[in-house]
Amino acid sequence: SYELTQPLSVSVALGQTARITCGGNNIGNKNVHWYQQKPGQAPVVVIYSDANRPSGIPERFSGSNSGNMATLTISRAQAGDEADYYCQVWDSSTGVFGGGTKVTVL
Amino acid sequence: QITLKESGPAPVKPTQTLTLTCTFSGFSLSTSGEGVGWIRQPPGKALEWLALIYWDDDKRYSPALNSRLTITKDTSKNQVLLTMTNMDPGDSATYYCTHVTPRRGNSFDFWGQGTKVAVSS
Repeated sequence: SYELTQPLSVSVALGQTARITCGGNNIGNKNVHWYQQKPGQAPVVVIYSDANRPSGIPERFSGSNSGNMATLTISRAQAGDEADYYCQVWDSSTGVFGGGTKVTVL
Repeated sequence: QITLKESGPAPVKPTQTLTLTCTFSGFSLSTSGEGVGWIRQPPGKALEWLALIYWDDDKRYSPALNSRLTITKDTSKNQVLLTMTNMDPGDSATYYCTHVTPRRGNSFDFWGQGTKVAVSS
């Protein structure tokens, strides 16, 4: 089965840039979606299809995908960006999530 | 505005069958491309995709749970049901239903608030 690998945690200083990676075999050939989940809340999609932002998501959130790695970038990190982030793809019509990354804003 | 809401029993005993209902509004499951999926999250753990049903009744299941899951839809009631057989304490989790559309790359673009399912004797 297809696997997605994310770092357990990422720390970023307030106002700096955080990069969250999602590794998978030839993931560059798939559409990657990213979700933000704050404690006690349902996840929210922040990037879909590699690099598209839904309406209402700040431009500070961006995504890229190539080769064996997809990346979610959070620019000018704010305290409100502290959350768990999950990547997700479809593989053979099966949904697959990464293990999640906890982002801490220092 | 799309909304989804999950409902189901609490608690559930081991070996019982769980039936969850997702009631939604703001879209129709008779519209081409639309889908509703189920995702769960055990306490403190990662998201796990379970199942998906499309407007044309195409159904997809997690390979790990395929033998235990059944997803159905009632288009007239705007509801999707998920049944999971032979429940185990390890199935205790928050269960979410979600909307899927090709307009947003088949991402899970809208989520319900989730329903907590506890499996205990």
